[in-house]
This record gives sequence, C-alpha cells and structure tokens, in this order.
Amino acid sequence: ETGVTQTPRHLVMGMTNKKSLKCEQHLGHNAMYWYKQSAKKPLELMFVYSLEERVENNSVPSRFSPECPNSSHLFLHLHTLQPEDSALYLCASSQDARVVRGYTFGSGTRLTVV
Amino acid sequence: AQSVAQPEDQVNVAEGNPLTVKCTYSVSGNPYLFWYVQYPNRGLQFLLKYITGDNLVKGSYGFEAEFNKSQTSFHLKKPSALVSDSALYFCAVRVLTGTASKLTFGTGTRLQVTL
Repeated sequence: ETGVTQTPRHLVMGMTNKKSLKCEQHLGHNAMYWYKQSAKKPLELMFVYSLEERVENNSVPSRFSPECPNSSHLFLHLHTLQPEDSALYLCASSQDARVVRGYTFGSGTRLTVV
Repeated sequence: AQSVAQPEDQVNVAEGNPLTVKCTYSVSGNPYLFWYVQYPNRGLQFLLKYITGDNLVKGSYGFEAEFNKSQTSFHLKKPSALVSDSALYFCAVRVLTGTASKLTFGTGTRLQVTL
C-alpha cells in the first residue's frame, strides 16, 4: 500500500449511468491530482487541487466533475460518459503544491464504458 | 514547452545484463526530474529523483540515474537486470505553473527482461 487508496478498482458503467471514483490519502499531503491513462497515450493531467481548492482544470469535458471536500479525499463524479473515456484513472498526492518530492500514486480505477 | 521525451517504446535485455532506459528533458531553469515504474494494473511507483547535488542518483530496487546537463538527459540504469524488473517506466519533470506545480510524464518505455 502506498498510502493513497482508490476505490473501486474496477468499474463498468453504461453511458447513461452516474458513478463516482474515490481517492483517499493518509499521508498528510496537501495537494491531490487526477490523471487519465489511456492505452498508447501519455498520462493526461485532468485536475489539480491544492488545500482543497481547484487550481488547474485541463480542458476536461464537463461529464467529469471533481470534488475535494477536505485534504484527504478526492472524488471524480462521472455522468453520461463516452466509450473513449474508458481508461485507467489515477489519483496522486504530493506533500504540497511545490511537488519537490514528486507524487504518491494510488493503484487506479480501471473504468470501462459500455 | 517544458517536457520529457522517452525515445524508446520498448527495451529488451537479458537477465544479468546492464540496462539503460533513456530520457531527455526540455525545461527552463534547473530541472526536477523523476523516474517511476508501473506494474500491470497498478499505479506508478516512485523510483528516484534528481533535484540538485550529485549527478548520479541512487533509488529503489538497485536503480540509479545519471543527470547530464550538457546532454539534457536523465537516463535510468541498473548494473544487472532481473526478470522482475519487467514493467513500464516513466520519466517525469516538474513543471512550474502560476499557482501550483505538476509533473509532466514521458510516454513510457516498456522494459522486457528475459532469461
């Protein structure tokens, strides 16, 4: 265990469903991130939160909605997704927004949209 | 744009032989560089980082990386490869933005170690 826990590990959802991905860290970190990892594509940064405030949103479609209720929890709410949204969604945390020591990643949620 | 490049999609090496996974960077200022490893259906695991100091950085599982400023490279190395080292390796650079920094990753290099 890395200290960053993602649930669920696997998720299959239809295009009309609404689901949420959860990320939890107990490392005392103050910054959290969502990345999307698709086959044969670079990791894509989706959202950045620092001290529970969203500081970056990389032109992500509105069908992805992040939420950070406190510095230990990060959610990604999903609705009306498309098949091309199928990917591994990775959560990461860092000590603070300076990222001097890099990230700690969770194991990811494998999402399949049918 | 600040970025890293991994020129090889795959590297094949026999167990017991030395391995090198290549990474070059393009940043303004002093780079903060990282290597991560990813096993199947897992997240990325930190291997090592370079911020300042010695150009040879030692990390987890016997890996090391050499920072070369003149060649803008940060290649990952291991003197003797193991079959269990087979995985996907990512180089990353810290990118400074207005309010927060972030890591930008290379496209990854798949390392295959065979008996």
